[in-house]
Amino acid sequence: DAGVIQSPRHEVTEMGQEVTLRCKPISGHDYLFWYRQTMMRGLELLIYFNNNVPIDDSGMPEDRFSAKMPNASFSTLKIQPSEPRDSAVYFCASSSHQGGPDTQYFGPGTRLTVL
Amino acid sequence: AQSVTQLDSQVPVFEEAPVELRCNYSSSVSVYLFWYVQYPNQGLQLLLKYLSGSTLVESINGFEAEFNKSQTSFHLRKPSVHISDTAEYFCAVSGPGTYKYIFGTGTRLKVLA
Repeated sequence: DAGVIQSPRHEVTEMGQEVTLRCKPISGHDYLFWYRQTMMRGLELLIYFNNNVPIDDSGMPEDRFSAKMPNASFSTLKIQPSEPRDSAVYFCASSSHQGGPDTQYFGPGTRLTVL
Repeated sequence: AQSVTQLDSQVPVFEEAPVELRCNYSSSVSVYLFWYVQYPNQGLQLLLKYLSGSTLVESINGFEAEFNKSQTSFHLRKPSVHISDTAEYFCAVSGPGTYKYIFGTGTRLKVLA
């Protein structure tokens, strides 16, 4: 089975540009999570979806960040405009919670560098 | 609110020596506890988890962790480490009614030859 797929793996952009990160969760999973990892702040949950509906976006840093999940097999995290402090590794994870809590499966991450 | 504390940011240990990575949590309700491992330039992978039942849980590669409710701890142990265990280890807590994980800040395990 394919795991969680993220693209691109690396993104280098200039301040002010729009950045779109993409995620394909594991087929059949009904939860999708977006995390950000930095040296200073560790691993932070940005937002998560259940059945394509955003449930908790309290971790989204500010209005420059937005996330969508138009269908069960695709999600995007967009930053517009990007700033150097957005440089981080962004992870997508998915899980299935039918019948109770279950493991979150992480993608390989997208390393974003904003110059 | 739930929280997780990993007191050790880095743990160096010689190959074949035992290791313990500490994790303490804070929660007013029952908890689910997880250990994840992150190898360089990779995503996180589940190592082991405690949901209920036996307080001692084991992974397939020799790690184990024990849920201690009175001490609010979930320390990760391995009796003999290998070079290949060099990675960053994250403890996480969740609980009934929520699917959010709260992650600790991670412990970087470096196994020395």
